[in-house]
Amino acid sequence: GEDVEQSLFLSVREGDSSVINCTYTDSSSTYLYWYKQEPGAGLQLLTYIFSNMDMKQDQRLTVLLNKKDKHLSLRIADTQTGDSAIYFCAEKSDYKLSFGAGTTVTVRA
Amino acid sequence: ETGVTQTPRHLVMGMTNKKSLKCEQHLGHNAMYWYKQSAKKPLELMFVYSLEERVENNSVPSRFSPECPNSSHLFLHLHTLQPEDSALYLCASSQAPEDREGPGELFFGEGSRLTVL
Repeated sequence: GEDVEQSLFLSVREGDSSVINCTYTDSSSTYLYWYKQEPGAGLQLLTYIFSNMDMKQDQRLTVLLNKKDKHLSLRIADTQTGDSAIYFCAEKSDYKLSFGAGTTVTVRA
Repeated sequence: ETGVTQTPRHLVMGMTNKKSLKCEQHLGHNAMYWYKQSAKKPLELMFVYSLEERVENNSVPSRFSPECPNSSHLFLHLHTLQPEDSALYLCASSQAPEDREGPGELFFGEGSRLTVL
C-alpha cells in the first residue's frame, strides 16, 4: 500500500528559508502534491509536480522531486508569519491521493 | 470562502447518539470524499463517491455510514461511535477521479470537529 512520511515539526526564523521533506514508497505515483492547512481550516493545494519533472518553481515556492530516491521537498523562501501552518505531502497513485501526517511549521520572529 | 461547505463545524456526541455530518460542494465536481484527520497520523481516506456510486470503502467500521444522494451532497451518518473516533472529518471534492492522467486536485471543506464522549 501507499506510505507517505514526513517529519512532524519544523521551526524557522522569519525571513529564512524553510525546507519541508517527504518520502513516499509508491514508485508508480503520477503526481505529487503539497497542501497547506491553516488553523481551523481545511487543506488547500499549494502546488503539485508531475512525476517526470524534477523541479517546479512558483513564486516563493520551489518543489524538488528525486524520483529515484522517492523524495519530495518544498522550499519556502523568505518565510513569513503567515506561512505558519501544517503542510501535507501527498502522492497520487491510480486515482487516489495518499497523504502524510503533516509537518507543523512554526515561524518565529 | 471555500466551494466545499461542511456542517456542523463542531459536534459533541455520546457513544449512543446518532448524528450526521453534511458536506455540500458548489464546484460542479462529480466525485466526493470523506477523510479522517487525527493528530500526528496520516490523513485516512474513508470513502470515495464518483458519480454518486461508492468506489472506495477503506475498511471503515460500519458505525460510519456514508450517503451520496447526488453529486453535490455527501453525508456521513454516525452511530454508536467510540471515543477513538474523535477527530476532524474532512470532506473533499474533485473532478473525474478515474482520470488517472490528470492531477486530480482535491478541494477540501473546513472540516467537522467530532468529539465522542
